[in-house]
Amino acid sequence: AQSVAQPEDQVNVAEGNPLTVKCTYSVSGNPYLFWYVQYPNRGLQFLLKYITGDNLVKGSYGFEAEFNKSQTSFHLKKPSALVSDSALYFCAVRDVAGVYNQGGKLIFGQGTELSVKP
Amino acid sequence: SQTIHQWPATLVQPVGSPLSLECTVEGTSNPNLYWYRQAAGRGLQLLFYSVGIGQISSEVPQNLSASRPQDRQFILSSKKLLLSDSGFYLCAWARQGTNRDSPLHFGNGTRLTVT
Repeated sequence: AQSVAQPEDQVNVAEGNPLTVKCTYSVSGNPYLFWYVQYPNRGLQFLLKYITGDNLVKGSYGFEAEFNKSQTSFHLKKPSALVSDSALYFCAVRDVAGVYNQGGKLIFGQGTELSVKP
Repeated sequence: SQTIHQWPATLVQPVGSPLSLECTVEGTSNPNLYWYRQAAGRGLQLLFYSVGIGQISSEVPQNLSASRPQDRQFILSSKKLLLSDSGFYLCAWARQGTNRDSPLHFGNGTRLTVT
């Protein structure tokens, strides 16, 4: 079964410093990976996805993610953090075993709280 | 462009009362639709998904049910709420057909408190 793990409940970064939010995955077959951000009392916003191709994927708001097949990781990164980046971040994997008969559902990690201090 | 609407934004209901949460999508046809629940502000649990009108799949046995009476309408219901039904309920949609790489797009959620 597909799964993702986010090993850190919380990440603290100073504004202007680079940030990394970690995600590892377990899939049978090719992985289809996604990152989302959630602000308090709001829905999840899509940031970026990896389907195939370049291992470095660029997304919204200056975020990027690095896919590493040998380490089964898909870490979210940003070169220079902003206070406004403080939010809850979710990694997700598509349940491709059921793409054609189970609605292409996403399986989410437990989330990582990012706190960027001025 | 596509938009997704959820209502109400917040709801306080007594134990044993019924529930109806509604979600509608605009600007697309025949979407996949999903209901997720987020407890304690963290992990998301998929409750139901639908690939078409009247087609509902349940992921976990529970006190809730879902219906899709129209192509772009998804309803989450309960006949009698339990305290454990409290949480943040999120509706989402995704395109069919190319859904390997289609992200889910979420509504702004409903905060349900059962008292």
